[in-house]
Amino acid sequence: QVQLQESGPGLVKPSQTLSLTCTVSGGSISSGSYYWSWIRQSAGKGLEWIGRIYTSGSTRHNPSLKSRVTISVDTSKNQFSLKLSSVTAADTAVYYCARSIVAAGTPPFDYWGQGTLVTVSS
Amino acid sequence: QSVLTQPPSVSGAPGQRVTISCTGSSSNIGAGYDVHWYQQLPGTAPNLLIYGNFNRPSGVPDRFSGSQSGTSASLAITGLQAEDEADYYCQSYDSSLSNVVFGGGTKVTVL
Repeated sequence: QVQLQESGPGLVKPSQTLSLTCTVSGGSISSGSYYWSWIRQSAGKGLEWIGRIYTSGSTRHNPSLKSRVTISVDTSKNQFSLKLSSVTAADTAVYYCARSIVAAGTPPFDYWGQGTLVTVSS
Repeated sequence: QSVLTQPPSVSGAPGQRVTISCTGSSSNIGAGYDVHWYQQLPGTAPNLLIYGNFNRPSGVPDRFSGSQSGTSASLAITGLQAEDEADYYCQSYDSSLSNVVFGGGTKVTVL
């Protein structure tokens, strides 16, 4: 059974960079069959896809966030990470990592982490 | 304001049937992109409920069903149970935005 677990600071100051890591267990992130995504949920905007990475390192991002988002993968640790720069209060949300199968079209997110709340405040 | 429009809430008595609509446009559902549905119980992560418009993952009761027509999709829950009280979200892809999109969510209340 695949499990995903987010980790990182729960409080980030405005203008700083939010950094989160997702650790995958029960399966290899290098399998080549999956995309690994970050999704966030805030009270004001509901669920918002941030971006995804493939085991090769290729990425796709939400155009509205693209200039601030960096997603990377560390296959040796079976982890992938999110960095979101220049954060504001609007970036306060529960951040989820999730998996989707590599397929044509828009594959569903079949496994999710439990989520981690990140608050942006001074 | 979400690209995919869902009613904020629906309610029903135990045993009844409720439906949740997910209205999109010609650049997402109407363009043939799959619709997926998620159930989010209070305090937990979303859980995949329906994928590819009408398919149920293993373990999802057949009380849950999905359909799609034109620029809209629907989730139906038959034989409503107290444990179905949750938030439900639709998800698809929008070609004009080049982005994965979610509906705003619908809270199901069991009366």
